[in-house]
Amino acid sequence: AQSVAQPEDQVNVAEGNPLTVKCTYSVSGNPYLFWYVQYPNRGLQFLLKYITGDNLVKGSYGFEAEFNKSQTSFHLKKPSALVSDSALYFCAVRDGNTDKLIFGTGTRLQVFP
Amino acid sequence: DAGITQSPRHKVTETGTPVTLRCHQTENHRYMYWYRQDPGHGLRLIHYSYGVKDTDKGEVSDGYSVSRSKTEDFLLTLESATSSQTSVYFCAISGEGGSGNTIYFGEGSWLTVV
Repeated sequence: AQSVAQPEDQVNVAEGNPLTVKCTYSVSGNPYLFWYVQYPNRGLQFLLKYITGDNLVKGSYGFEAEFNKSQTSFHLKKPSALVSDSALYFCAVRDGNTDKLIFGTGTRLQVFP
Repeated sequence: DAGITQSPRHKVTETGTPVTLRCHQTENHRYMYWYRQDPGHGLRLIHYSYGVKDTDKGEVSDGYSVSRSKTEDFLLTLESATSSQTSVYFCAISGEGGSGNTIYFGEGSWLTVV
């Protein structure tokens, strides 16, 4: 069965510093990996995805993520955090054999001025 | 925005009453999903649909039923609401193209069962 783990409930980072939000996954087939962001009282917004090809994926708002097959990880990164990046971030995986998108429990990112 | 409208956006209902949430899309996408979001659990898939009249269960389908009689509408019904179904419900859609297709979300429906 497919699953996603986000080991950190919260990540705190100072504005201007690099940020990393961690995600590991488990699937039986080829993984399709996604990151979403959620602002308070809103739906989820798509940030980026990995399907195949380059292990470094670039997405919206300056975010990028690195796919690491050997470590089954797909960590979200940004070189320089902004206060406006503060939000809830979800990693998700879709097994190539199913239509289901399975989410992690989410990581709250807090960027301090 | 992905052209997804959820209704109602907020609802308070009593235990034991039936409740139907509606998701309407204007994208003509084949796949539609219902998720619920709860603290500590992230988003969990309730049911999904891969075409008109074609639906399947997700992780937390007990107590819920769905129907899809038209491409654009996907209804989620709580036959007899319980307090454990107090949650935020999100509809999502995805087009053709396989598992790499992006899933887009609506703005959510806040349901409180008292």
